[in-house]
Amino acid sequence: SQTIHQWPATLVQPVGSPLSLECTVEGTSNPNLYWYRQAAGRGLQLLFYSVGIGQISSEVPQNLSASRPQDRQFILSSKKLLLSDSGFYLCAWSVGGIFNEQFFGPGTRLTVL
Amino acid sequence: AQKVTQAQTEISVVEKEDVTLDCVYETRDTTYYLFWYKQPPSGELVFLIRRNSFDEQNEISGRYSWNFQKSTSSFNFTITASQVVDSAVYFCALRTSGTYKYIFGTGTRLKVLA
Repeated sequence: SQTIHQWPATLVQPVGSPLSLECTVEGTSNPNLYWYRQAAGRGLQLLFYSVGIGQISSEVPQNLSASRPQDRQFILSSKKLLLSDSGFYLCAWSVGGIFNEQFFGPGTRLTVL
Repeated sequence: AQKVTQAQTEISVVEKEDVTLDCVYETRDTTYYLFWYKQPPSGELVFLIRRNSFDEQNEISGRYSWNFQKSTSSFNFTITASQVVDSAVYFCALRTSGTYKYIFGTGTRLKVLA
């Protein structure tokens, strides 16, 4: 069966510090991968998605970036965090190429102070 | 353009009441999929159902039922005999052909009171 992992679960970082959130999927090949952010009490904002290794589509121009160094690994990064980067970050995957549902990871709660 | 509207921001019901969560979508594509997700207080989104644009059959799963009507572009979700454990934020989503993106509504927070 497929499993999606995200870490860390919780993170508190100072403004201006770097960020690296990691997401890995097990039990499937060539998944579509997604990063979302959810501000407190708000909906989901799509940040990035990837349909293959090294391929990244950005939805929102900001100080975040994403990379996909391996088929089932998706990394969200920032060189300098802003207060507005605080939120709940969710990674998701779907079966590549067809209209299947997304499956979400447990999320990372990021607080920037 | 694609869009999903969940007009109900928050709903409160008393346990055992029935409740319907509304979802209205917009798309010009003839091939698309609709989804419902549940987000409990723990935060992880849980997939509930997928429905494709060619299948307007309503679906029932236990206390949950879904009413898909293309004529009104709606995909509503009903919980029968609600329970406290149903308290969560519920999201409706849309994915159309030619895109890998899923369009989410803003969510409806359901509070079931004991």
